[in-house]
Amino acid sequence: GEDVEQSLFLSVREGDSSVINCTYTDSSSTYLYWYKQEPGAGLQLLTYIFSNMDMKQDQRLTVLLNKKDKHLSLRIADTQTGDSAIYFCAENVFRGGSYIPTFGRGTSLIVHP
Amino acid sequence: DSGVTQTPKHLITATGQRVTLRCSPRSGDLSVYWYQQSLDQGLQFLIQYYNGEERAKGNILERFSAQQFPDLHSELNLSSLELGDSALYFCASSVASLTYNEQFFGPGTRLTVL
Repeated sequence: GEDVEQSLFLSVREGDSSVINCTYTDSSSTYLYWYKQEPGAGLQLLTYIFSNMDMKQDQRLTVLLNKKDKHLSLRIADTQTGDSAIYFCAENVFRGGSYIPTFGRGTSLIVHP
Repeated sequence: DSGVTQTPKHLITATGQRVTLRCSPRSGDLSVYWYQQSLDQGLQFLIQYYNGEERAKGNILERFSAQQFPDLHSELNLSSLELGDSALYFCASSVASLTYNEQFFGPGTRLTVL
């Protein structure tokens, strides 16, 4: 079945790096996503990685993918208080003719001064 | 602003009642998805419509139903409401449902069942 697991909380100091980890189950997932949810808002796509890539860098964000272990991580360099939010990992699951992002429970990132 | 609108923002109702949540997708998006977000279950996929047709079903209860209209807006109907249905309901839209599928989320409707 599909199950995306991530830790629920992460607390970091401003200026440090944050690493949010995720494990997924569907080895046929073509794309894996990281979404961000700020308080009172819907989710917003932060970045994604194609399954044939090991790493993707986008400014302060680095995504690492280990297909063998079905492990995905998101590293945020120089974390700022504005990065405080819930971060969701999602894998693409094929259902009934469509690819549907299936989300983990989300990791609450708390950045303190 | 994602371009996806949802109404109402908040809804308070009683057990046993029926409510309708409405979603307007981004201009040009043919796919609409409904999700339920609660503290104990996380973000659960309910159902997807593509250009008016049901495409994929997730963990949607039989008491819940949805449809997508010719103008592509969608409605989620929740009936015989129970306390456990209290949650945030999100609508998302995307251009299609190809392998790369960036979804754009609305701000959500917070449903409280008393």
